[in-house]
Amino acid sequence: DIQMTQSPSSVSASEGDRVTITCRASQNINNWLAWYQQKPGKAPKLLIYAASSLQSGVPSRFSGSGSGTEFTLTISSLQPDDFATYYCQQSHSFPITFGQGTRLEIK
Amino acid sequence: QVQLVESGGGLVKPGGSLRLSCAASGFTFSDYYMTWIRQAPGKGLEFVSLITHSEGNVRYADSVKGRFTMSRDNTKYSVYLQMNSLRAVDTGVYFCARGRDRHLPPRGFDYWGQGNLVTVFS
Repeated sequence: DIQMTQSPSSVSASEGDRVTITCRASQNINNWLAWYQQKPGKAPKLLIYAASSLQSGVPSRFSGSGSGTEFTLTISSLQPDDFATYYCQQSHSFPITFGQGTRLEIK
Repeated sequence: QVQLVESGGGLVKPGGSLRLSCAASGFTFSDYYMTWIRQAPGKGLEFVSLITHSEGNVRYADSVKGRFTMSRDNTKYSVYLQMNSLRAVDTGVYFCARGRDRHLPPRGFDYWGQGNLVTVFS
């Protein structure tokens, strides 16, 4: 199985800050990577697909980059609605696997 | 608009069975891969199974292989998860979701159901 490792596991930041979350794959997944945002009690929301493509309706302050084994999700200027947990997910190989999540908290 | 509505969760004893359903609307169901993803209480997301759009070929996580069966009925716009020999570790919220790429293996899952709680305990 491909292991997905996110860092950090949690981060505290303030409104307006720039935040970057990293996701590393245990082997090459090309650009078969997605990012999700999840709030408590809710279903995940797709933010980024194919490593760097912004899902329709997602604010442009979210961006993704990377290829191969290292990927990043960047939020350029944090808004109050962005405080949530973020997951990366690979679909290059079965089983599909997720990172363990990064909790973004208000400082 | 696209909607996925799950049903069928609940409380079951170890070794028991449950069948989850996910009813889709707002898109051409037979064009898209569908998946089940679960989340144990307070934990992260875990892939359960995925089914192709037309042939209905299924892939499973090792943790459920041989116990769970995913299927779809394109005429009813529905996908199902038959769960047998349930264990306490199967407890969690089960989400159905749609692959975002029409006719293609998904590069992400763009629409999700509300989630359905399955609790396995004695």
